[in-house]
Amino acid sequence: AQSVTQPDIHITVSEGASLELRCNYSYGATPYLFWYVQSPGQGLQLLLKYFSGDTLVQGIKGFEAEFKRSQSSFNLRKPSVHWSDAAEYFCAVAPEYGNKLVFGAGTILRVKS
Amino acid sequence: DTAVSQTPKYLVTQMGNDKSIKCEQNLGHDTMYWYKQDSKKFLKIMFSYNNKELIINETVPNRFSPKSPDKAHLNLHINSLELGDSAVYFCASSHDRGGTDTQYFGPGTRLTVL
Repeated sequence: AQSVTQPDIHITVSEGASLELRCNYSYGATPYLFWYVQSPGQGLQLLLKYFSGDTLVQGIKGFEAEFKRSQSSFNLRKPSVHWSDAAEYFCAVAPEYGNKLVFGAGTILRVKS
Repeated sequence: DTAVSQTPKYLVTQMGNDKSIKCEQNLGHDTMYWYKQDSKKFLKIMFSYNNKELIINETVPNRFSPKSPDKAHLNLHINSLELGDSAVYFCASSHDRGGTDTQYFGPGTRLTVL
């Protein structure tokens, strides 16, 4: 069965600094990969997704993610973090022919001014 | 316009009671989901319906019963509530039934069982 690991429970970065959130997945074939963001008291919003093609994917709010097959990773990046980016970020994976989305445990991002 | 809406937003109840959470989507999607987010923020799928047909039924106590009167609505009824049912429940929808399709989430219902 597929699984998703987000090794960092909490990350704190200064406003304006760059950000990288890690995500590793376990799955035999290339899965479909997603990053969602959950602001406090809100539902999840899709930031970006990868299905195939260019391994660098651009998303909303200035985020991007890079799929690295050799490392089974799909890390999320942002060159300059804004205070409004403080939220919880979830990586998720879905098998190509499955019908279920599996989420990682999430990474809480704190932004200090 | 709210794409996926849930009611109520907060629900506080006693152990042993029966309660329902309602979900509606106005996106014209065919598939709807219920997820449970526990106190550690771990998000796990419970059920999924496609055009009113149950397609995912995870290992969930049978005290939980989803009901889909039409493809725009998926309600969750919980019987004999227990302390461990306290969590945030999210409804979601997608155009297709596959997990690969983008899912749109509601704002969540925070259930507290006393």
